Amino acid sequence: EAAVTQSPRNKVAVTGGKVTLSCNQTNNHNNMYWYRQDTGHGLRLIHYSYGAGSTEKGDIPDGYKASRPSQENFSLILELATPSQTSVYFCASGLGDQDTQYFGPGTRLLVL
Amino acid sequence: GDSVIQMQGQVTLSENDFLFINCTYSTTGYPTLFWYVQYSGEGPQLLLQVTTANNKGSSRGFEATYDKGTTSFHLQKTSVQEIDSAVYYCAMRANTGNYKYVFGAGTRLKVIA
Repeated sequence: EAAVTQSPRNKVAVTGGKVTLSCNQTNNHNNMYWYRQDTGHGLRLIHYSYGAGSTEKGDIPDGYKASRPSQENFSLILELATPSQTSVYFCASGLGDQDTQYFGPGTRLLVL
Repeated sequence: GDSVIQMQGQVTLSENDFLFINCTYSTTGYPTLFWYVQYSGEGPQLLLQVTTANNKGSSRGFEATYDKGTTSFHLQKTSVQEIDSAVYYCAMRANTGNYKYVFGAGTRLKVIA
């Protein structure tokens, strides 16, 4: 079965600090995604990747960077965290054309 | 642009009630349509998907029909149980352009025993 893990599961950061959220998948999927989940907005796409070395902007990329150093790993980076980035972040992987998404358990981020 | 609309933010039902959750989409061409379910403390997981217009998808007693004419993909279940309490997301994957995923805002279902 597909396995997507995220770390940390919970994070408290200070305004202006740097935050890195990590995602690892053991499915050998080409595609990986980062979403944030907020009440009333559902899941919104931040960045995604089609494979190692590639990153693409999603619908709400401002204030976020992404890195895909390998097939298995996809990181989301907040260089200067702000309170508006307090949210739950989900990573997902997907194989190809059918592209069913397999989600990790989420990271709860609080920016003070 | 591409969009998925779920108007119902929350639905409360009693066990054995009929469930109907609205979903409409907007895009060009024929997207792949999905319903995902998210249980408390977990990430979303696929409930069902349909790739072909006018086809029906079903899983665990849930059904949804891909209606190209009304651009809808409503979720139904004849008799809900307490274990069905979760957040349900309608989603679309465009099959043209950048093939991006779009999720609806989600519908929180609470089933009372």
